Amino acid sequence: AQTVTQSQPEMSVQEAETVTLSCTYDTSESDYYLFWYKQPPSRQMILVIRQEAYKQQNATENRFSVNFQKAAKSFSLKISDSQLGDAAMYFCAYPLRRNTDKLIFGTGTRLQVFP
Amino acid sequence: EPEVTQTPSHQVTQMGQEVILRCVPISNHLYFYWYRQILGQKVEFLVSFYNNEISEKSEIFDDQFSVERPDGSNFTLKIRSTKLEDSAMYFCASSEQPRGNSPLHFGNGTRLTVT
Repeated sequence: AQTVTQSQPEMSVQEAETVTLSCTYDTSESDYYLFWYKQPPSRQMILVIRQEAYKQQNATENRFSVNFQKAAKSFSLKISDSQLGDAAMYFCAYPLRRNTDKLIFGTGTRLQVFP
Repeated sequence: EPEVTQTPSHQVTQMGQEVILRCVPISNHLYFYWYRQILGQKVEFLVSFYNNEISEKSEIFDDQFSVERPDGSNFTLKIRSTKLEDSAMYFCASSEQPRGNSPLHFGNGTRLTVT
């Protein structure tokens, strides 16, 4: 079965510090995309970062970066210099199969940021 | 930056009533989606739509659900006879490419409450 596991239901970090959110997944595909989405209290789903599995280089988007370990099927999100506005639910997601539109989402990690 | 917009933000309806949730995807996107999130649970795929027809649907998307693109801009989700378990946040999304090849851009969601 294709699954996404986010093993940390909740995480907390102090402002300006770094935090890493973990995600593991299971797929038999060789080429695929992986996504991290942020859902603040406003409930909107906002794309944080995308990783293409055939690229060895880890994706980076300003303070957000990923540690993509393809063999281990691990896709963690690192947030550097955390800000109060980073407080949100974070979801890892990927397409169920290569020929499908269906994104599979993890259960989410709630990130709290303390001043 | 272009956005996906959804209306209304909150819809309350009685069990058995029909509801229509509306979405305006990003204008140059061709692929449209509905996802839902029952409170405290995972984000779940409902349906994808392209070229005026359903591309893919999940087991959740039964005969009570339908989608339509009535004009060049709107994309709607209709639930014919709502049930209590339809209460959820419904997210519309659009993308430039299908199959996870480009990120999904989500709207702010419509919170549906069935009483």
